[in-house]
Amino acid sequence: DAGVIQSPRHEVTEMGQEVTLRCKPISGHNSLFWYRQTMMRGLELLIYFNNNVPIDDSGMPEDRFSAKMPNASFSTLKIQPSEPRDSAVYFCASSLGLFGGASDTQYFGPGTRLTVL
Amino acid sequence: GESVGLHLPTLSVQEGDNSIINCAYSNSASDYFIWYKQESGKGPQFIIDIRSNMDKRQGQRVTVLLNKTVKHLSLQIAATQPGDSAVYFCAENNGGGADGLTFGKGTHLIIQP
Repeated sequence: DAGVIQSPRHEVTEMGQEVTLRCKPISGHNSLFWYRQTMMRGLELLIYFNNNVPIDDSGMPEDRFSAKMPNASFSTLKIQPSEPRDSAVYFCASSLGLFGGASDTQYFGPGTRLTVL
Repeated sequence: GESVGLHLPTLSVQEGDNSIINCAYSNSASDYFIWYKQESGKGPQFIIDIRSNMDKRQGQRVTVLLNKTVKHLSLQIAATQPGDSAVYFCAENNGGGADGLTFGKGTHLIIQP
């Protein structure tokens, strides 16, 4: 079974450039989550969607960050303009749904390692 | 200048020994808990979960214990193997509401030969 798919796996860009990270959740999952992981702050939830609708974006650090989920099988996280402090590993995760027992389990993709020079 | 990063707790055990990783959760409304394993360069991987109506659940070589009185969760790994070396995170569901999961900071498990 295909798990959560993320692309690219690595991205190196220069400060000021636009960066777009992509995610394909597990088929049939209704919720999608974007996380950022750094040594300084650990794993941070940025935003999550349920049935393609953003539920909570309070973790999005600034207006430079935006996320979309145009359909159930695709989501993007965009940073524009990027800054060196955005360097981190960005994970996408999906789950069957937000509520209930097993449906809360989130399955993570392999992550995108972003380096902003 | 010197960078200040997360100082992950580290647990070092001999290969073949049992290991216990502890986690204190914060939200008394949480009724579902998950342990994740993250190997270097990979995303967190689901290991085992437990609901609040249970105090123990066993998987293959892993056992999760839940003490709701003191809001404490532990992960026991039996007969550790080199492949168990990773960072282990606990997560709580904050009562299953719209807040999603809250992850702990993680514990780095090192298996020594």
